[in-house]
Parts: sequence; structure tokens; C-alpha cells
Amino acid sequence: DGGITQSPKYLFRKEGQNVTLSCEQNLNHDAMYWYRQDPGQGLRLIYYSQIVNDFQKGDIAEGYSVSREKKESFPLTVTSAQKNPTAFYLCASNPAAGANVLTFGAGSRLTVL
Amino acid sequence: DAKTTQPTSMDCAEGRAANLPCNHSTISGNEYVYWYRQIHSQGPQYIIHGLKNNETNEMASLIITEDRKSSTLILPHATLRDTAVYYCIVRVGSSNTGKLIFGQGTTLQVKP
Repeated sequence: DGGITQSPKYLFRKEGQNVTLSCEQNLNHDAMYWYRQDPGQGLRLIYYSQIVNDFQKGDIAEGYSVSREKKESFPLTVTSAQKNPTAFYLCASNPAAGANVLTFGAGSRLTVL
Repeated sequence: DAKTTQPTSMDCAEGRAANLPCNHSTISGNEYVYWYRQIHSQGPQYIIHGLKNNETNEMASLIITEDRKSSTLILPHATLRDTAVYYCIVRVGSSNTGKLIFGQGTTLQVKP
């Protein structure tokens, strides 16, 4: 079945360490997105990519980095510069930048100790 | 900031229709209204979207007012599994950006 796979589902890290969250899709979608969700809050856009080798900052990109070397992969690195990284991270994709029917992954929950 | 306003929470009896309102008074003529829902600790799930006309699919119906300043998502026969946070979204920016801005949504509690 086609879909989005995020890994790991749960991740614990010490403060000051960089961590990379994986997002893989086999839907042949052009556009991919990373959102962050804090308890009781909506989703906030971190980065998005409309095409391979291109990506744009969302509303809260500081302290994060991404790459888009392959169409099916859009990993997110949470760097030590992110002051409050503990959150639920969601990856999503859609067929083209103009079509907003997003398919989401199951999410990765990062806890910084 | 999200361009939509939704009630923070709503209750609905199991088997009854759940009507979730959304205000989007600044919507532009070519902007669609999208509805997603998120069950606790899962990724959001697409429900339905529309531009001007009412829409219906296997999950829900979407009623958009004639002036397009508000809409209502209708779950015709709510079940306990429909308990979730429901997001009403209007796309922000041009069609080339493809960004969806999620607000805090409405927490729907379906009760037995």
C-alpha cells in the first residue's frame, strides 16, 4: 500500500544533540512538508519542498534543516540551535504544489531530556 | 495566523449528526476550504474540500454559504471513532506554494 513512513516513532535525545527524522513516501508525490505540533496546539509548518533539490522555509524554520535529494525522501534534522525541540513532528506530501489534499505520516515524537 | 475561526470544542451524541462550523470571512474567490481531522497522536486525515458548491463524500458533507464566509462540516451519523480534532483550513498564498495553515481546530467528543 502506498503511504508515508516516518521513523522513528519515538526518539529520546540529550540536549545539544542533533537528531534526524526520516520521512519516506512511495506515492510519487512531488511536494513534501514538515509540520511541528505541540500539546493542545495546531500544526505549524517548518519546511516544505515542491520538487527535488529545492525547499523553502515555513513559519518556524529556525533550528531545523532539511534536504530533498530524492523525490521519495525528505529528512528533517533538528539541530542544537532549536531551543525547544520536544514536540510531535509530522511529515506530509501531495501530488503537486497546487493540490492541497495532503497525506500525512503517523508522526515522530521527539523528547529532549 | 490561520484564516479560519472554529469553536474550541463540541459534544455530539453517538448516532446523531455532528455539525462543525467554521468562519472564514476573509476568504478569496479562488481559495478552497479544506477539512482534516486528527485522532489523538496520529497524523491528520483528509476529509473533504470545496470551493463554492456543497460537497459530499463517504465521510462527510460540506456546506458552504453563498457568500463563502462560513462553512459547516456535517458527519451524518457520528460514532465514537469520530472523536477527534477537526481542522478547517483555507489555503494561504498562491497555488505555487501549496501551504496549508492549521489552526487549533475543534475538538469533537462523541458520547455514548
